[in-house]
Amino acid sequence: DGGITQSPKYLFRKEGQNVTLSCEQNLNHDAMYWYRQDPGQGLRLIYYSQIVNDFQKGDIAEGYSVSREKKESFPLTVTSAQKNPTAFYLCASTSAGSRTDTQYFGPGTRLTVL
Amino acid sequence: GNSVTQMEGPVTLSEEAFLTINCTYTATGYPSLFWYVQYPGEGLQLLLKATKADDKGSNKGFEATYRKETTSFHLEKGSVQVSDSAVYFCALRWTGFQKLVFGTGTRLLVSP
Repeated sequence: DGGITQSPKYLFRKEGQNVTLSCEQNLNHDAMYWYRQDPGQGLRLIYYSQIVNDFQKGDIAEGYSVSREKKESFPLTVTSAQKNPTAFYLCASTSAGSRTDTQYFGPGTRLTVL
Repeated sequence: GNSVTQMEGPVTLSEEAFLTINCTYTATGYPSLFWYVQYPGEGLQLLLKATKADDKGSNKGFEATYRKETTSFHLEKGSVQVSDSAVYFCALRWTGFQKLVFGTGTRLLVSP
């Protein structure tokens, strides 16, 4: 079945550590996205990539980094510079064609800083 | 700029009640409009979408009509079930732009 997988589902980090969240899709989508969701709030865009080896900052990129070396993969690193990283992180993808294309989401990773 | 405004929740209903969740948007050009649903602890799932004015999206008993004259895309369901309890997000995407713009979400709680 085609879809988006994120791992791990739950992640615990000590302060000062970098952690990397995995996102893989087998939908052959060109564009991929990372969102952050805080309790009771909407989604905020961290980074997005429209093509391999290219990515752009979203609205809250500070303290995060990404890479896009393969079409299928878009890992997100939460660095120690991110002041408040505890949140639910969602990865999404879409074909890069037109405004009518649907954006599909993975199941999410819940990151907790201890 | 482009934005989406949703009614604040939570919306609390009894089973079999009629549901309306309001969504209005501001956008240049002709955006596509989407409703997503998020169940507790999960990612977002597409519920329905409409890509041009007067289009009606529908799925699982939910409907929403793209009203350009009122810049609205209200979500409706004639008879809600307990299993519909979730957070609902309205979103838009416009021509030539790869990002979705989301509303803040509306939590629906349905009691038996």
